[in-house]
Amino acid sequence: DAGVIQSPRHEVTEMGQEVTLRCKPISGHDYLFWYRQTMMRGLELLIYFNNNVPIDDSGMPEDRFSAKMPNASFSTLKIQPSEPRDSAVYFCASSLYMNTEAFFGQGTRLTVV
Amino acid sequence: AQKVTQAQTEISVVEKEDVTLDCVYETRDTTYYLFWYKQPPSGELVFLIRRNSFDEQNEISGRYSWNFQKSTSSFNFTITASQVVDSAVYFCALSETTSHTQGGSEKLVFGKGTKLTVNP
Repeated sequence: DAGVIQSPRHEVTEMGQEVTLRCKPISGHDYLFWYRQTMMRGLELLIYFNNNVPIDDSGMPEDRFSAKMPNASFSTLKIQPSEPRDSAVYFCASSLYMNTEAFFGQGTRLTVV
Repeated sequence: AQKVTQAQTEISVVEKEDVTLDCVYETRDTTYYLFWYKQPPSGELVFLIRRNSFDEQNEISGRYSWNFQKSTSSFNFTITASQVVDSAVYFCALSETTSHTQGGSEKLVFGKGTKLTVNP
């Protein structure tokens, strides 16, 4: 398997623009997670899905953030409108079951100017 | 809510030294899982180990070893004979098993990480 695939790897956008990050989990994995990594806050879980259903979105910082998983092989994280403080590395991860090891994608480095 | 503390922000050693990375956790669950991940300079997160709360046996994998002590809520990681390639940020993480609808949190919560630099 190719592992968790995220796109784009890098994104630079202007404040106020919409940003969409994409993730393809490992085939057969039932859980998908979106994390954000910053120097100040470390790795934070934003939201996770089980069998395409959002389970816990308590980490989503604001209504500007939304995530979807229309099918088992694709998820998106959208920020609209983006702000400079959203600049971070966003990771997608998937796991077979809950509490098992999560496999991470290479991340998307987002810069909002 | 669960919490993971990695008190050591940065550690610098010389190659071939042994180094221990500390991890202390807090949880109200009796069943939980502990993890270690490595983040090399390239940025990806690499899984190293998973341990459940009922298994207190220490584990050794090559130059890596882990010491789990429930009595002190610690899950420390030791690298023996460190090498330059071990330079990375290491994260300890915890997930509980009580669902969030029951007041727990199954999500994987990470510590802030320890940056290890191994100098030649």
